Amino acid sequence: EDKVVQSPLSLVVHEGDTVTLNCSYEVTNFRSLLWYKQEKKAPTFLFMLTSSGIEKKSGRLSSILDKKELFSILNITATQTGDSAIYLCAVMSGSEKLVFGKGMKLTVNP
Amino acid sequence: GAVVSQHPSWVICKSGTSVKIECRSLDFQATTMFWYRQFPKQSLMLMATSNEGSKATYEQGVEKDKFLINHASLTLSTLTVTSAHPEDSSFYICSARASYNEQFFGPGTRLTVL
Repeated sequence: EDKVVQSPLSLVVHEGDTVTLNCSYEVTNFRSLLWYKQEKKAPTFLFMLTSSGIEKKSGRLSSILDKKELFSILNITATQTGDSAIYLCAVMSGSEKLVFGKGMKLTVNP
Repeated sequence: GAVVSQHPSWVICKSGTSVKIECRSLDFQATTMFWYRQFPKQSLMLMATSNEGSKATYEQGVEKDKFLINHASLTLSTLTVTSAHPEDSSFYICSARASYNEQFFGPGTRLTVL
């Protein structure tokens, strides 16, 4: 059974801190790993990773995939209160279905 | 970027009634759409895969007669919750596959069954 595990499940930090979110997976016929940010409504897309070792960056956010060790990390530097959200990791398998992790709730305090 | 809309965004209904939720891809055609359910403080759970012009594929444990899915065109999929009960209250989210590996999510529909 395909499985995606995120850690930690919850994190509280102060503005300006750097956070690292972890996502490990076990899927059949891996296609890609995706990171989403969910605030009050549906998830918004952050990154899609398909190749190992290639870092993707968008502003203060970056992510990298390790297909050998079957995990990905999402880094957020200089966190702001607007970064407070649930961060979801999902893996797309050969069947094109997305399997989601439980999500990581990030709270950034001023 | 690709835009997916859902309607309604919020619905309250009485127990025993049916509710239809629409998912539309606004600026692209989607042969495949996905329906997810999300309970409070939980992650998204895939309910079914909706394929244009054919029957939906349901995940294990999802009742196909209760959650009717129709994908009549390349831009529209509908999910009908039949004979809704309070335990069906949830956040329903659709996504549409725009191209290889890319899925775009709708804003979600919050269903409350009284």
